[in-house]
Amino acid sequence: SYVLTQPPSVSVAPGKTARITCGGNSIGSKSVHWYQQKPGQAPVVVICYDDDRPSGIPERFSGSNSGNTATLTISRVEAGDEADYYCQVWDTSSDHRVFGTGTKVTVL
Amino acid sequence: QVQLVQSGSELKKPGASVKVSCKASGYSFTSYGLNWVRQAPGQGLEWMGWININSGIPTYAQGFTGRFVFSLDTSVTTAYLQITGLKAADTAVYYCARASTWEWSRFYFDYWGQGTLVTVSS
Repeated sequence: SYVLTQPPSVSVAPGKTARITCGGNSIGSKSVHWYQQKPGQAPVVVICYDDDRPSGIPERFSGSNSGNTATLTISRVEAGDEADYYCQVWDTSSDHRVFGTGTKVTVL
Repeated sequence: QVQLVQSGSELKKPGASVKVSCKASGYSFTSYGLNWVRQAPGQGLEWMGWININSGIPTYAQGFTGRFVFSLDTSVTTAYLQITGLKAADTAVYYCARASTWEWSRFYFDYWGQGTLVTVSS
């Protein structure tokens, strides 16, 4: 089955930029979606189709996808961005949805 | 506004069954598919599958066949997840999540229920 690998944790100072990677075989050929999950809450989509921001998501959130790596970038990080982040794709081989392993973002 | 409201937490003994509901409102229920996602304590998200609201036909992900059943009651715009033969390993939060589009290859999860904690313990 298709595997999406994320770093377990990323730490960033307020006002700086956080980059969260999502590695998968030829992930650049797939559409990647990103979800933010704060403790005790349901996930919320922050980026869809590699680099689109759903309504209500701050411009500080952006995405890119190429080759074997997709990246979620959070600019001018705020304390409220502290959360777990998951990437997600549709795997053509299994015809199933797949989530990444998740990354915990800590704001120092 | 779109809302998915799930039933409350459940405490069950091993071997029992549980049925989790997901009540949809604020949109045309039959225009979007519904997915189920599991999150074990301290773990990541796991897609369990989805149900086609129009046909009622479910699709189950690997690892969620046999004891897991998705169903619908369109008259009350509600989807259900039933788990039989519960095991301790089924202890998790279960989320329903709407598919953003009918295009199977392109949808993402645009709205989520608040989650239902199912605890399996003797």
